[in-house]
Amino acid sequence: SQKIEQNSEALNIQEGKTATLTCNYTNYSPAYLQWYRQDPGRGPVFLLLIRENEKEKRKERLKVTFDTTLKQSLFHITASQPADSATYLCAPGGQTGANNLFFGTGTRLTVIP
Amino acid sequence: SAVISQKPSRDICQRGTSLTIQCQVDSQVTMMFWYRQQPGQSLTLIATANQGSEATYESGFVIDKFPISRPNLTFSTLTVSNMSPEDSSIYLCSAGVGAHEKLFFGSGTQLSVL
Repeated sequence: SQKIEQNSEALNIQEGKTATLTCNYTNYSPAYLQWYRQDPGRGPVFLLLIRENEKEKRKERLKVTFDTTLKQSLFHITASQPADSATYLCAPGGQTGANNLFFGTGTRLTVIP
Repeated sequence: SAVISQKPSRDICQRGTSLTIQCQVDSQVTMMFWYRQQPGQSLTLIATANQGSEATYESGFVIDKFPISRPNLTFSTLTVSNMSPEDSSIYLCSAGVGAHEKLFFGSGTQLSVL
């Protein structure tokens, strides 16, 4: 069955450093992969989408890579700030044309001032 | 983009009763989805709410327990039937906009069953 795993449940880093989150998937051939941010008591908010034919995508301090051979995506936040503290979710999608999204286990990031 | 209003935001219910959660989108959308998020966990897809046809349920979820309505392109409801404490969770409505790839979420309904 499909499995989507994110590297760690929780990640603490110092302000100003780069946070790197990992998403691994198995039994899956996604056409794209999305990253979402979720704050406590709120629904997830879309951040970035990267397609299978793209190696890297950037948006401001965010960078996402997608390696379909390794079945892995890396999500980087550079120059991290305490306001970046949240749970980050990956979601591979578009398999066999389906539009529904399945989410990874999530990584709770805490940026320490 | 889309703004999704979900209500109630929270409720405390007695075992054996049912609760209907409403989800309103501020624009017409083709795809709507219902997720469950148990405490400290990630999101689990319950079903896809299809306009004009029956919802498509994921493994482990059945229509008798989670009936879904989708009367038009902006509205959907999820009912949690015959509730037990195991149903205590956050229920989230979402909609796919444009090419349906990106999802917008409501703020969720926090359900506690006593």
